[in-house]
Amino acid sequence: GAVVSQHPSWVICKSGTSVKIECRSLDFQATTMFWYRQFPKQSLMLMATSNEGSKATYEQGVEKDKFLINHASLTLSTLTVTSAHPEDSSFYICSARDYYQGNQPQHFGDGTRLSIL
Amino acid sequence: DAKTTQPPSMDCAEGRAANLPCNHSTISGNEYVYWYRQIHSQGPQYIIHGLKNNETNEMASLIITEDRKSSTLILPHATLRDTAVYYCIALPVYAGNMLTFGGGTRLMVKP
Repeated sequence: GAVVSQHPSWVICKSGTSVKIECRSLDFQATTMFWYRQFPKQSLMLMATSNEGSKATYEQGVEKDKFLINHASLTLSTLTVTSAHPEDSSFYICSARDYYQGNQPQHFGDGTRLSIL
Repeated sequence: DAKTTQPPSMDCAEGRAANLPCNHSTISGNEYVYWYRQIHSQGPQYIIHGLKNNETNEMASLIITEDRKSSTLILPHATLRDTAVYYCIALPVYAGNMLTFGGGTRLMVKP
């Protein structure tokens, strides 16, 4: 079945550091991937839609210069949290769907827990 | 996308069937009903989806009412590992659509 791999699974770093999170579709191609953020005891909130070969689309209130998204291939999207601060600490999750299987559901990575000290 | 309404929490005894309801009274004809679940500290896991016919797979069954205004996810023999937040989402089927998560139902399976 469709598998989405997310790396790293957790990261702890100092304030001011930039952190890159990778999202890979392992056995299918995905022209579109999605990035979500989840704070404790809350539901997932969509941050941005990552489009292969073009600029990402950000949801209202999400700073595009803060959260850089690159979708350079049909199997890889990256989210870079630039100059991270403690308030950026959260659970970041990506999802993707098989471009060639129109009726297939989206599949999610296992998430990246980011802790900024 | 149609709004869905789910009870915030439910309990179920281990080994019994868990029936999770979802109301989607404003669903349109081209919207499927998707169910996902999220076990603590993991990414959401796809369970099942359907349009108007009942569906069954190795994980669960999905019962959609004839008017499509509501549905029920059935876990036939709940185990402790089924404890999770279950999300019901109405969504048109094409590659561009993102999933919008509501509050879901927190299912607690008890011994």
